Amino acid sequence: DQQVKQNSPSLSVQEGRISILNCDYTNSMFDYFLWYKKYPAEGPTFLISISSIKDKNEDGRFTVFLNKSAKHLSLHIVPSQPGDSAVYFCAAHKGGGNKLTFGGGTRVLVKP
Amino acid sequence: GAGVSQSPSNKVTEKGKDVELRCDPISGHTALYWYRQSLGQGLEFLIYFQGNSAPDKSGLPSDRFSAERTGGSVSTLTIQRTQQEDSAVYLCASSSSWAGTGELFFGEGSRLTVL
Repeated sequence: DQQVKQNSPSLSVQEGRISILNCDYTNSMFDYFLWYKKYPAEGPTFLISISSIKDKNEDGRFTVFLNKSAKHLSLHIVPSQPGDSAVYFCAAHKGGGNKLTFGGGTRVLVKP
Repeated sequence: GAGVSQSPSNKVTEKGKDVELRCDPISGHTALYWYRQSLGQGLEFLIYFQGNSAPDKSGLPSDRFSAERTGGSVSTLTIQRTQQEDSAVYLCASSSSWAGTGELFFGEGSRLTVL
């Protein structure tokens, strides 16, 4: 039972263009959502998060959008840079605890 | 060090052997988590420790898996009678809050290969 799904396993984008990563969830009790970035042979690192009371959060080149009615969130990276090439994981948790439920990840390749 | 430290970084073992994986969390972090990532898969929750509370073991896949956290700091994940399907990267993470923003700090992982 995958409560958090990332349906696109990979994404290729030209440097300077926008990368859009999508994530869907099924558990309506989730109220906090995060994106993590992972390079090979390293642990995931926190990128950006959003609370369910918001529909958008922006941090530099990274913006996360949340559509609660559709149980969908997306991560926009603009402009994409070669250093953004990594696996991106969407994660969610319910209030009152920090146990994160992760999606399967999307591998992003930014071509110079 | 400043980050989460895990050892060993790589472990190759034979089917049926027991293995122990160690995690040293960030100093002062009260919460500690174990996840695993099988090849091509997402991160699967295994177990969660928070201070002196009873651990959340709901993600452990079988009774061959156990974990302990001594003195509220270092944790050891033990897998008994390893099977080939246990092959994965085992990731440890820590955080400083009980019900915060969910930002976990991960170690680099222990890659387990069961032959």
